[in-house]
Amino acid sequence: AQKVTQAQTEISVVEKEDVTLDCVYETRDTTYYLFWYKQPPSGELVFLIRRNSFDEQNEISGRYSWNFQKSTSSFNFTITASQVVDSAVYFCALSEVLLNTGTASKLTFGTGTRLQVTL
Amino acid sequence: DSGVTQTPKHLITATGQRVTLRCSPRSGDLSVYWYQQSLDQGLQFLIQYYNGEERAKGNILERFSAQQFPDLHSELNLSSLELGDSALYFCASSVGLGYRSSTDTQYFGPGTRLTVL
Repeated sequence: AQKVTQAQTEISVVEKEDVTLDCVYETRDTTYYLFWYKQPPSGELVFLIRRNSFDEQNEISGRYSWNFQKSTSSFNFTITASQVVDSAVYFCALSEVLLNTGTASKLTFGTGTRLQVTL
Repeated sequence: DSGVTQTPKHLITATGQRVTLRCSPRSGDLSVYWYQQSLDQGLQFLIQYYNGEERAKGNILERFSAQQFPDLHSELNLSSLELGDSALYFCASSVGLGYRSSTDTQYFGPGTRLTVL
């Protein structure tokens, strides 16, 4: 069975600090996807990034960066120079790939990390 | 705005009642997924449809059912409602054409908040 662990329940930082959100996953599949979603106070789930299991390249998008390491089954998310607008709950998720269709299916979510950025 | 629409935004009903949640996927998306978010269970996958057919099932209760129509919109029916069914219900969609494709990203709607009194 697939499992995603986000050990950090809540993190508080002061604006402009860097912060890293940890994500550790478990799967027996050799092909899978990893995702990060953001849930701001308004409640919607906003897609941030998708990573394929065969692609371990790290990615940077503005102030956001992601570190994917298959050797440690981790997919960590770093926000550089955090801002108040970054305050939200962040979810890491793992998607299985259906063997019969080769397509992605259900997302298994971690419990989320609540990030509070204050002035 | 993800392009996925869900109605209604809020729903308040009583125990024992039946409700229908509606979802319209992004234009061109063939797969629809339903998730439940509650305080005690977190975000849980319920069911997936692809082009009208059920493709995968999660821990969906027998009191719950779903379907995807020919125009690709989907409905989630919840019956004999209990207090514990109060939650935020999300619909997500993706093109779903295959692995290694960007089309396998799930985009979420704004959710329907169900309150059972």
